[in-house]
Amino acid sequence: EIVLTQSPGTLSLSPGERATLSCGASQSVNSNYLIWYHQRPGQAPRLLIYGASNRAPGIPDRISGVGSGTDFTLTISRLEPEDAGVYYCHLYADSGPLPFGGGTRVEIK
Amino acid sequence: EAQLVQSGGALAQPGGSLRLSCAASGFTFRNYEMIWVRQAPGKGLEWVSYISSPSTVIYYVDSVKGRFTVSRDNAKNSLYLQMDSLSADDTGVYYCAGRKFWSESFGMDVWGQGTTVTVAS
Repeated sequence: EIVLTQSPGTLSLSPGERATLSCGASQSVNSNYLIWYHQRPGQAPRLLIYGASNRAPGIPDRISGVGSGTDFTLTISRLEPEDAGVYYCHLYADSGPLPFGGGTRVEIK
Repeated sequence: EAQLVQSGGALAQPGGSLRLSCAASGFTFRNYEMIWVRQAPGKGLEWVSYISSPSTVIYYVDSVKGRFTVSRDNAKNSLYLQMDSLSADDTGVYYCAGRKFWSESFGMDVWGQGTTVTVAS
């Protein structure tokens, strides 16, 4: 089973700063299936990025994703208060459920 | 506007049962594959179950196999999760979510608001 490992566990940054979040897969994966979600406190997750680098509708261009193989990165440039919450990477699979990554919590100072 | 409205969460006793519902509106439900995701208090997201449309392909995470049953009624635009033999480990917020099955995006782009399941005596 493929395991997704996210780092760091927590990021504490000021508004306007850049956040870099990592998601590592235990084996090479199809980047078309690599997804990023954002969950604000008390809310349902929201789709941010699909196919490792494609922004979902309504997602601002200061949020971007890159990666392939086993290493994927989500970058939030110019942090805003609304970016606070937990970011999860996930791998879609047509062969059954796969675990989410453990999440990275972004705190805005 | 695409929307999923959830219901059915409650306090249940260990060994008891609950049925969660997820009602879709604002989009063509039969064109969506659906999942259930849960979140234990203070923890991350956990994939629980998947169902295709029609309901020909179904998957469960190992921890719920034999206890949970996912189903859908496309005529009623509804998704269900029958939860039996509940234990304290099943406590958490349960979300339904879906994606159009021919979308280039493999991410779930419509989510329910969540419903809380608490298993305790």
